[in-house]
Amino acid sequence: AQTVTQSQPEMSVQEAETVTLSCTYDTSESDYYLFWYKQPPSRQMILVIRQEAYKQQNATENRFSVNFQKAAKSFSLKISDSQLGDAAMYFCAWNYGGSQGNLIFGKGTKLSVKP
Amino acid sequence: EAGVAQSPRYKIIEKRQSVAFWCNPISGHATLYWYQQILGQGPKLLIQFQNNGVVDDSQLPKDRFSAERLKGVDSTLKIQPAKLEDSAVYLCASSFFRDREGTQYFGPGTRLLVL
Repeated sequence: AQTVTQSQPEMSVQEAETVTLSCTYDTSESDYYLFWYKQPPSRQMILVIRQEAYKQQNATENRFSVNFQKAAKSFSLKISDSQLGDAAMYFCAWNYGGSQGNLIFGKGTKLSVKP
Repeated sequence: EAGVAQSPRYKIIEKRQSVAFWCNPISGHATLYWYQQILGQGPKLLIQFQNNGVVDDSQLPKDRFSAERLKGVDSTLKIQPAKLEDSAVYLCASSFFRDREGTQYFGPGTRLLVL
């Protein structure tokens, strides 16, 4: 069975600084997809960034980038130039891709941004 | 493009009562998911539909939970009778079945409190 582990329940960053959120996963599949979702307080979950496992190049979306280490089964999220609006719960998630299955989520990391 | 719609946003009921949640996915999304998110945890899949057929309901407590998607568009999730441990946020998500990554788009959720 697939599992996703986020070992940092809470993180804090100063505004304009950089922070890295950790995620590890376990799977025997060779082709899969990884996601980071953001869930602001009392607001809906939105996709931050996604990575295809067969692509060696790390995904980047503006201030958000990932460090994908397939052999180590590690998928960390780096947020550069942190903004107050980045404060939220961040969830790492895994799936097979397509409509084959549901997302397997980690327990989340609560990110606080200090002004 | 309209996002995933859910109602109600909040619901408070007494244990042993029944409750129903409604979800309307993004137009054209054949795959629909219901997740349960207990406080402090990541979402967990309850049921997945492809059009109006059930793909995965292995984690749905079938003695009290039921869900339907009669015309392959909107869906209803019902709990009868509710227990205290059903207090959670119920998230609906949808995806386009031809999307290779299987990216899921979430609604705002229904926050249920069972007293």
